[in-house]
Amino acid sequence: QVQVVESGGGVVQPGRSLRLSCAASGFTFRTSGMHWVRQAPGQVLEWVALISYDGSSKYYAESVKGRFTISRDNSKNTLYLQMNSLRPDDTAIYYCASHHGSDYGTAFDNWGQGTMVTVSS
Amino acid sequence: DIQMTQSPSSLSASIGDRVTITCRASQTISSYLNWYQQKPGKAPKLLIFAASNLQTGVPSRFSGSGSGTDFTLTISSLQPDDFATYYCQQSYGTLTFGPGTKVDI
Repeated sequence: QVQVVESGGGVVQPGRSLRLSCAASGFTFRTSGMHWVRQAPGQVLEWVALISYDGSSKYYAESVKGRFTISRDNSKNTLYLQMNSLRPDDTAIYYCASHHGSDYGTAFDNWGQGTMVTVSS
Repeated sequence: DIQMTQSPSSLSASIGDRVTITCRASQTISSYLNWYQQKPGKAPKLLIFAASNLQTGVPSRFSGSGSGTDFTLTISSLQPDDFATYYCQQSYGTLTFGPGTKVDI
């Protein structure tokens, strides 16, 4: 049974940092690319970052490039998102999801329940 | 970035209805198009990948079609569990989602 659980969200002041974690089980984490996707309240889903199965390749949305860092620890089946220089427009529910690849690109599978990040003074 | 639009933004339907949702890309994306279902307070769920492929475990009443710029998600006979918001997502360029279509009673 697949289980994906995000944690680490909370309320943080603008300019501060936060680290999110995502613990996965029930699928082969160590061979799966992993994504972070966020959803601001009442807004559209936004892809944030992708890391390859072994951590050697990382990709970011322009909106977070240079501020956020995605990483993983395959020995712990855990994905991370280090978020620095947070801004109010980073306020969102942050989901992790596994990479679903096909002949026609990338989809998001095995989602967690999300963790809420609120950036406010 | 490739922009995605969906129509309608919301619709009201009844159990047993055939429901069709349309997604349009701002440029051609071949079949690089996926569909998700999201219920309030829950994470999205992958329904269809590569425009027309049913994800494992998804009921066969869901189907997807289209290529290029215009795509369709069809629910052949709406069930109580299907009332939700549906999103399309393209992966031809930087990954982007459509604005969603809310299906309610």
